[in-house]
Amino acid sequence: NAGVTQTPKFHILKTGQSMTLQCAQDMNHGYMSWYRQDPGMGLRLIYYSAAAGTTDKEVPNGYNVSRLNTEDFPLRLVSAAPSQTSVYLCASSKTRLPWTYNSPLHFGNGTRLTVT
Amino acid sequence: AQTVTQSQPEMSVQEAETVTLSCTYDTSESDYYLFWYKQPPSRQMILVIRQEAYKQQNATENRFSVNFQKAAKSFSLKISDSQLGDAAMYFCAYRRARTGANSKLTFGKGITLSVRP
Repeated sequence: NAGVTQTPKFHILKTGQSMTLQCAQDMNHGYMSWYRQDPGMGLRLIYYSAAAGTTDKEVPNGYNVSRLNTEDFPLRLVSAAPSQTSVYLCASSKTRLPWTYNSPLHFGNGTRLTVT
Repeated sequence: AQTVTQSQPEMSVQEAETVTLSCTYDTSESDYYLFWYKQPPSRQMILVIRQEAYKQQNATENRFSVNFQKAAKSFSLKISDSQLGDAAMYFCAYRRARTGANSKLTFGKGITLSVRP
């Protein structure tokens, strides 16, 4: 049981390039989400999906997601900008209530992305 | 909009002693949940404790307890008998009680806790 797996661990992009960050979970969780983590800024929600086939965004510009199945929730940077330099964390939870002791929020190990 | 503030960037505690991590929040909602998450270097986020706003009694989970002051919008975490494994970044988080598609978690900036042997 691998939990939440994110790839790649590190990547460097040039401004204007596009890239897809991969996230997969093998726990059959319905709820998945993407956060970015910046020093002194905490965690900021980018996108979430309550179930396969549905997505909702929090941050409108520069990102896109798809949820074609339960396991995968890739995050696409359409045209990378230096402001998108960050650590990206993918998370999943059994239900739409990822804050109970028996349904905790599982995070992946993150992708450190640098846009030059 | 809801905000969560953790003003202390880092704290240190001697092993076996007690430490308190501070968190304040701002909301116009009357019903909500508050959480403390632990993030060790592996970046896995582990739920430490949660508090329902409608409950007056402070939540307790083993060595972890909270001091929830609803009127003051304060939610501090007390770690008793600190252990080396408690060293991590701790995030305070908020979620409003209404369910629905927009039932997201709002996190604070986090505080790095180090434990001295």
